[in-house]
Amino acid sequence: EVQLVESGGDLVQPGGSLRLSCAASGFTFHSYWMTWVRQAPGKGLEWVASIKQDGSEKYYVDYVKGRFTISRDNAENSLYLQMNSLRAEDTALYYCARAHDDFWSGYCGSWGQGTLVTVS
Amino acid sequence: QSVLTQPPLVSGALGQRVTISCTGSASNIGGSFNVHWYQQLPGRAPKLLIHTNNNRPSGVPDRFSGSRSGTSASLAITGLQAEDEADYYCQSYDSSLSGSWVFGGGTKLTVL
Repeated sequence: EVQLVESGGDLVQPGGSLRLSCAASGFTFHSYWMTWVRQAPGKGLEWVASIKQDGSEKYYVDYVKGRFTISRDNAENSLYLQMNSLRAEDTALYYCARAHDDFWSGYCGSWGQGTLVTVS
Repeated sequence: QSVLTQPPLVSGALGQRVTISCTGSASNIGGSFNVHWYQQLPGRAPKLLIHTNNNRPSGVPDRFSGSRSGTSASLAITGLQAEDEADYYCQSYDSSLSGSWVFGGGTKLTVL
């Protein structure tokens, strides 16, 4: 069974930093693109970043470029999101998701339960 | 303002058929990029409902179907059930600027 467990969410002041983690199990982690998607309170889904199987390609939504960094450790079956210079508008539930296909046709086949980031 | 436009609210009676539209542009759906749909039950994580325009993952009832035409896509739900009451999101790839995944703003389905 695919399991994705996020952690690291917290209350942080504007300008602060956080590192989110996602522990993956139940599948061959290094064979999949991985993605972070966020959802602000009462709002819709928003794609944040995606990373290729070997970490050689990374893509970000425009308003997190230069502030957020997605990374992975295939030996540890873990996905990360380093978030710097946090703003109030980054407040959201952050989901880790396993992606299918390549980046241009991809979709999220499995989701974690999310970790809450509050910037205030 | 989402790149993909969905109606905020859709409703239907038990047993009826409803459709949820997802309207994009030439840089996403119109560019022949695939459309995917997710269901999010209240208080739950999203769940993949339809992938690659019209494919159901195993376990998703055949009451759910997807289609794509031109710059738009649609999710159809037949035989509405109470447990279908949820938020539904479309998602695709957008080739403008540096390329990104894009989601629709979401549609809340109410079952009457």
